[in-house]
Amino acid sequence: EVQLVESGGGLVQPGGSLRLSCAASGFTFSTYAMNWVRQAPGKGLEWVSVISGSGGSTYYADSVKGRFTVSRDNSKNTLYLQMNSLRAEDTAVYYCAKWEEINRDFDYWGQGTLVTVSS
Amino acid sequence: DVVMTQSPLSLPVTLGQPASISCRSSQSLVHSDGNIYLSWFQQRPGQSPRRLIYKVSNRDSGVPDRFSGSGSGTDFTLKISRVEAEDVGVYYCMQGTHWPPKAFGQGTKVEIK
Repeated sequence: EVQLVESGGGLVQPGGSLRLSCAASGFTFSTYAMNWVRQAPGKGLEWVSVISGSGGSTYYADSVKGRFTVSRDNSKNTLYLQMNSLRAEDTAVYYCAKWEEINRDFDYWGQGTLVTVSS
Repeated sequence: DVVMTQSPLSLPVTLGQPASISCRSSQSLVHSDGNIYLSWFQQRPGQSPRRLIYKVSNRDSGVPDRFSGSGSGTDFTLKISRVEAEDVGVYYCMQGTHWPPKAFGQGTKVEIK
């Protein structure tokens, strides 16, 4: 059974940093691209970032480019999102989502972790 | 960038009645391999999104057959033949044809009248 479990969310001041983790199990982690998708309170889904299975390719939404860094440790089956220079508008539930190449979409999602940026 | 536009954004429905959600893309979603990568997700209150439909019209395992997807090119539809109470939530379309996959629709909130 595929499981994605996010952690690391919390309250952080504007300008601060936070690192999210997503522990994966139930599939061969290193062979799948992984994504971060966020959802601000009461709002829709916003794609944040994707990283290839090897970790060699990454892409970011314009809204986080230069501030967020996605990475992965395939030996630990874990995905990360390092978030720096956080802003109030980064407040959201952050989901990790597994990319399914054959259908080019997200076939599994985690339960999400809440990040609140506030003073 | 591809923009996905859903309508309506709010959809009150009577139990047992049909519901239809439209999703339009600003560019064709026909991939160079000939497939159309358009998916639909359901997000029930307090839950994570769950995929319902992939490649326009293919239902995921466990998805009731009252859900169906259709469309081509830039115009797509999700239909619920008879809405049940458990269908309450927000529905999103998403395109996977153009990389990176950053385009979700705004979401359509389905509620019971």
